[in-house]
Amino acid sequence: EAGVTQFPSHSVIEKGQTVTLRCDPISGHDNLYWYRRVMGKEIKFLLHFVKESKQDESGMPNNRFLAERTGGTYSTLKVQPAELEDSGVYFCASTKGDVPNEKLFFGSGTQLSVL
Amino acid sequence: AQSVAQPEDQVNVAEGNPLTVKCTYSVSGNPYLFWYVQYPNRGLQFLLKYITGDNLVKGSYGFEAEFNKSQTSFHLKKPSALVSDSALYFCAVRRYSSASKIIFGSGTRLSIRP
Repeated sequence: EAGVTQFPSHSVIEKGQTVTLRCDPISGHDNLYWYRRVMGKEIKFLLHFVKESKQDESGMPNNRFLAERTGGTYSTLKVQPAELEDSGVYFCASTKGDVPNEKLFFGSGTQLSVL
Repeated sequence: AQSVAQPEDQVNVAEGNPLTVKCTYSVSGNPYLFWYVQYPNRGLQFLLKYITGDNLVKGSYGFEAEFNKSQTSFHLKKPSALVSDSALYFCAVRRYSSASKIIFGSGTRLSIRP
């Protein structure tokens, strides 16, 4: 069974540019989560999809971030325009259900560097 | 509000010695508690979780964690460390509610010296 895959693994862009991160969850997993870890701090929740619907987007920093999950399969996270403080590691995770004690399956993350 | 604290950025242990990685949490109501591990260039992997019942939880790779409700702690332990245990460890908490988010700590880097 393929795991959660994220692309690209690294992205270096200049301030003001646009970057799109992609996440392919495990097949059959309806729940998809985006997280971010900035400069050695805690891993922070960004948003949660159930299929194609946004269940919770309370962690999205501002309107420069746009997440989509058309068709309920893969998801994209676009940052436009990117700012220096957006640098960090963006993780995607998926689960089949949304039971509170269910473990998350994580991708290996996208390291975003905004210069 | 939920929160998780991992007071140590780094823990250094000699191979063969016992190790402890500390975690304290704050949550209203009963918690679900988790430990995840991140090896270099890999995603986070689930190690173990506490749901209810026995306060000592056993997980992957010989790790265990002890839930202490009075101290609101969930420390990760292993009786005998291996060099291959060197990684980044994250503690996480979630409330007993499907509407709640899982909240992670800032991580502790565990370094095991031969």
